[in-house]
Amino acid sequence: NAGVTQTPKFRVLKTGQSMTLLCAQDMNHEYMYWYRQDPGMGLRLIHYSVGEGTTAKGEVPDGYNVSRLKKQNFLLGLESAAPSQTSVYFCASSYWRGNQPQHFGDGTRLSIL
Amino acid sequence: AQTVTQSQPEMSVQEAETVTLSCTYDTSENNYYLFWYKQPPSRQMILVIRQEAYKQQNATENRFSVNFQKAAKSFSLKISDSQLGDTAMYFCAFKAAGNKLTFGGGTRVLVKP
Repeated sequence: NAGVTQTPKFRVLKTGQSMTLLCAQDMNHEYMYWYRQDPGMGLRLIHYSVGEGTTAKGEVPDGYNVSRLKKQNFLLGLESAAPSQTSVYFCASSYWRGNQPQHFGDGTRLSIL
Repeated sequence: AQTVTQSQPEMSVQEAETVTLSCTYDTSENNYYLFWYKQPPSRQMILVIRQEAYKQQNATENRFSVNFQKAAKSFSLKISDSQLGDTAMYFCAFKAAGNKLTFGGGTRVLVKP
């Protein structure tokens, strides 16, 4: 029973490099989300998806792109990494019903040097 | 836009005692959901308890209970019989239409033996 799995768990990048974070869920959830958590703060929504083939901007979308080609996967891309993107990234998924909670992955710690 | 405020950056409590965490929110929505998530040092985001705004009865989950005051836009969490494993960051979160969560800044709870 994997739930929400994030790959990788840790990564160090140099400024200007690109990378993709992968999120996979096995609960057949319609909705998926990407958040970032900076030190001493709550999570902030980057992008989200309400279904396969759909994406939408959240609170802090600049510098990130996402894709949801398959229902179970949600990818977060950084085209040209910046030090300000150093953070812990969380993926989450949920059913469409409002009273259903979001289920979170274990997070990816990303450092941009 | 919704905002969630947790006014207590840090709380400490003796083992077996009770601690109450405050959360206030601002919204013009009438139908919404409120959640408390726990984030231990392992970094996982774990659902503690949820409340549906249309329900007047306060939610309870074992040692965790909430005091939901809709008119005051207040949603506090009470942890009874505190245990060492309750040491964690606690985040209050709000969800309205669109299934997007808005998080507060968190309260760090330290349970002392």
